[in-house]
Amino acid sequence: DVKVTQSSRYLVKRTGEKVFLECVQDMDHENMFWYRQDPGLGLRLIYFSYDVKMKEKGDIPEGYSVSREKKERFSLILESASTNQTSMYLCASSRDREGGEAFFGQGTRLTVV
Amino acid sequence: AQSVSQHNHHVILSEAASLELGCNYSYGGTVNLFWYVQYPGQHLQLLLKYFSGDPLVKGIKGFEAEFIKSKFSFNLRKPSVQWSDTAEYFCAVETNTDKLIFGTGTRLQVFP
Repeated sequence: DVKVTQSSRYLVKRTGEKVFLECVQDMDHENMFWYRQDPGLGLRLIYFSYDVKMKEKGDIPEGYSVSREKKERFSLILESASTNQTSMYLCASSRDREGGEAFFGQGTRLTVV
Repeated sequence: AQSVSQHNHHVILSEAASLELGCNYSYGGTVNLFWYVQYPGQHLQLLLKYFSGDPLVKGIKGFEAEFIKSKFSFNLRKPSVQWSDTAEYFCAVETNTDKLIFGTGTRLQVFP
């Protein structure tokens, strides 16, 4: 079974803190994604990566950065957390287009106070 | 910019009713299309997908979807819903640059 593991289920951080959300997949997938999920807004793509050290901005990259130093690990960084970044963060991975299906982690609910 | 629209935000049905959830996308290139489902308290999982070939695709649990290229649509259907289908449903489009974009989701509630 494909497994996508996010390092934390719940996080509470203070405004201005630097926050790291980690995601690891064990199926040698090329693509990895970070989304945030908010009620009524669905999943919005923050960043994705199609290879090690490669990244592309999604639809809402402002206030976030990412790192992919190894194929299995994709990190989302909030340089200076703000209250409007309180959300559920979802990581996903997939093979290239021929493979298709994305597999999701369980999500990290981040609260910024 | 690419986008995915789901017109129904909240659908309430009785068991045995038929279901159709709309999905339209905006992208000029070749796409792969997906429907994902998120049951309460669980993570997203694939319901069905379209890559090529027959535009009518069948997925798990009796769901099917039809790709109509001329309308940029990929609507989800089920002839007879069950209480266990209560969930949130997301349409998604994968572009030819591997970008995977989701719609805003449709919350389905099925009452016995």
